[in-house]
Amino acid sequence: GAVVSQHPSRVICKSGTSVKIECRSLDFQATTMFWYRQFPKQSLMLMATSNEGSKATYEQGVEKDKFLINHASLTLSTLTVTSAHPEDSSFYICSAIGQGVRNEQYFGPGTRLTVT
Amino acid sequence: AQSVTQPDIHITVSEGASLELRCNYSYGATPYLFWYVQSPGQGLQLLLKYFSGDTLVQGIKGFEAEFKRSQSSFNLRKPSVHWSDAAEYFCALTGANNLFFGTGTRLTVIP
Repeated sequence: GAVVSQHPSRVICKSGTSVKIECRSLDFQATTMFWYRQFPKQSLMLMATSNEGSKATYEQGVEKDKFLINHASLTLSTLTVTSAHPEDSSFYICSAIGQGVRNEQYFGPGTRLTVT
Repeated sequence: AQSVTQPDIHITVSEGASLELRCNYSYGATPYLFWYVQSPGQGLQLLLKYFSGDTLVQGIKGFEAEFKRSQSSFNLRKPSVHWSDAAEYFCALTGANNLFFGTGTRLTVIP
């Protein structure tokens, strides 16, 4: 149980275009989802926290207009990188907390974004 | 403020040898502590967690960790390392919902 998927696993896009990454909880309802960014050989950096049906809470220094997060249902959150630039190239990982699951996040497999 | 410190950036061990990865934390109350493993290009897999109770926690893949409140530590151990254990290991804590990660320890296993 407690499986989180991400789609796509890898994406290459041209500079200036937008990319959408999906995060789904497959076998549980996720009241809260998190989006992390990971640079090569570094730790995970929390970008934002999203709760179903409400606006995401962004961490300091994360541009909310650039990284659009939508948590429209209890099983789906999306991260859209708008007007992507090469410096947005990174590994993006989502996680989810289920209803009644205490303080434990389940992680997706990650999405490798490369902006050319 | 909460923080997690993993003092060892990179550790190399021989296959079959024992392993200990260090993790120290700073938190105002009793933390919930986790160890995750990440293989290259992959997401995070939970190895074990400590919420309360027995301070020696058993996890998957033969790993265990011991919570020591007096030392603010939650070190990960394995008695005999396998080549497949080579990966990046992250210690993390949470008080509410947010996870705070350490910087990670990269484990290399040599034959």
